[in-house]
Order: sequence, then structure tokens, then C-alpha cells
Amino acid sequence: EPEVTQTPSHQVTQMGQEVILRCVPISNHLYFYWYRQILGQKVEFLVSFYNNEISEKSEIFDDQFSVERPDGSNFTLKIRSTKLEDSAMYFCASQTGFTEAFFGQGTRLTVV
Amino acid sequence: AQTVTQSQPEMSVQEAETVTLSCTYDTSESDYYLFWYKQPPSRQMILVIRQEAYKQQNATENRFSVNFQKAAKSFSLKISDSQLGDAAMYFCAYRSAMKRNTPLVFGKGTRLSVIA
Repeated sequence: EPEVTQTPSHQVTQMGQEVILRCVPISNHLYFYWYRQILGQKVEFLVSFYNNEISEKSEIFDDQFSVERPDGSNFTLKIRSTKLEDSAMYFCASQTGFTEAFFGQGTRLTVV
Repeated sequence: AQTVTQSQPEMSVQEAETVTLSCTYDTSESDYYLFWYKQPPSRQMILVIRQEAYKQQNATENRFSVNFQKAAKSFSLKISDSQLGDAAMYFCAYRSAMKRNTPLVFGKGTRLSVIA
């Protein structure tokens, strides 16, 4: 069964460093998302992406964040200068049309 | 803006018994989707069940079923014959059908424990 794949599963980074979280969506899916879940809290939407551009972004998704689909398969989330409060689980999701979103297994980001 | 409320932070159920998790939502839209996602300790988000708002029939997936009350904006999940593997966080989520790629809006979750 096709699945969304995220790498790495866990990343530890120093405050102020740049991190790139990677996702390989399901191959025939058209719509891509990043969500964030701070430990013990609800899942929050960050950004949606379609046709090589951002469709919608939340207020969390400030200038420190960027997304791109560099090669037609990978979908990346970059955080330019990480802060302690960026520590969270980051989920990539993809969907096709009016269907449910399928989530990756998540990347646990720890900023120290 | 749409909101999703899960009023039960924690629930417990005996193995083989039935449990119902509550979810209410607020929207002015008439066309939308509702979902229940399961998050086990591995923290992966797994789709449990989906309901289209235009369908009157409640969705069912094996031991999982929903009670969708559109007028009351209520969407509860019933788990029958509970199993130890059902222990997880359960999130209710809403998605507008206004366009294809509207994001999910999640509730805060209900932590379900299953007692052997």
C-alpha cells in the first residue's frame, strides 16, 4: 500500500541552525501539507502546497519557514533559524482530490 | 473560522466493551468532511473513519462507527469490542469542501485507555 514517507524520524539541532525536513508524498497525489504537533497539544496546520506553490498558510508559518518541491517527488519544509519553541512533531500529508489526507510517520524535531 | 471540540480529554474502556468518544464542531458551511484519526504511541496519524456531510448514513469501518448529527454539529465515534491495540489518542477533524485542498482542523484529542 502506498504511503507517505518522512525523513529523518528524529532530528536534534542547535538553536539558530537551519533544518530541512523531507517528505515523499504518495506518487499520484496532488495536494501536500505540513502540520505541527507540539508535545501534548493538538495538531496544527502550517501550510498547503499545490501546483508548485503555496495554497494557504497559517499564522504559524512565518518568514522562518519555507517549503518547496525541488524534484517532483520530494516535498521539504525548511526552518531557517530554529528556536526552542520549534521543537515539535512535524507531519507531512498528501491527498488527491476530495479525499482524506494520508499522513507520514512524522519527524520529531528537538531544538536544544 | 471552524472549530472542533473534544470535551473528553481521557476515556477508558474495558477490553471487549464499547466506548463512545464525543466531538462537536462549529461551522457555517453546509458541505464538509469529518474524520477521526488515531495516534498511537508511535505518534503516527492513522485515519480511522471519514464522513461526508451530505451523506445521512453514518459511516462504519469494522468495529468503528460514527453517529453524525448534522443539525446538532455532533460527530461521535463508537468503538465496539475494544481491543488493547485501540489504546491511543483519538483526534476528531473537520475539513471544508469549499475547495479541494482546505486543511484539516483538529480537536485537542481524547486519550483512550483500554483495560485488560
